Amino acid sequence: QVQLQESGPGLVKPSQTLSLTCTVSGGSLGSGGYCWNWIRQPPGKGLEWIGCMTNSGTTYYHPSLRSRVAISADTSTNQFSLNLNSVTAADTAVYYCARDGLYWGQGTLVTVSS
Amino acid sequence: EIVLTQSPGTLSLSPGERATLSCRASQSVNSASLAWYQQKPGQAPRLLLYGTSNRATGIPDRFTGSGSGTDFTLTISRLEPEDFAVYYCQQYGRPPFTFGPGTKVDIK
Repeated sequence: QVQLQESGPGLVKPSQTLSLTCTVSGGSLGSGGYCWNWIRQPPGKGLEWIGCMTNSGTTYYHPSLRSRVAISADTSTNQFSLNLNSVTAADTAVYYCARDGLYWGQGTLVTVSS
Repeated sequence: EIVLTQSPGTLSLSPGERATLSCRASQSVNSASLAWYQQKPGQAPRLLLYGTSNRATGIPDRFTGSGSGTDFTLTISRLEPEDFAVYYCQQYGRPPFTFGPGTKVDIK
């Protein structure tokens, strides 16, 4: 059974960089034709796809975030990461990592505030 | 970018009733790349259907999906108490892999 777990700071100051890590267990980042995703959900709102990385290292990003976002992976630790720079209050959300649509982390709330 | 629109925004029904949820795309979506999710408060979304009509493991057969091109439908044949939730469609055929805004199914 594949399991994913997000980790990272719950509070980030405006203009700084939001950094989260997703640890994958029960499956390998380096195998299978999957896209490893980051998705977020502002409080009380809907889901927003941020981007994903394939096991070959190809990345796809939402156009509205492309200038600020980077997804990377470390197959040696079976983790993939999200970096979102120049954050504002609008980036406050629950951030999820997911493998395709089937396996999701529980989500982690990140608040952007001084 | 493919924009997904879901209707209605809220659907108020009673247990045992039939729910019909719509997802409309701004461009044609490969029917192999359309999914539906259910989300309850405080929980991560749960995959219900993928490839328009294929139920994920453990999803009861009262959930059915249909559609093609730009129009897709999720039908819940008889609502059970645990089905009252928010439902999202997502296309994953062409990046960005966009979600619809959701339909809330609540108890009438």
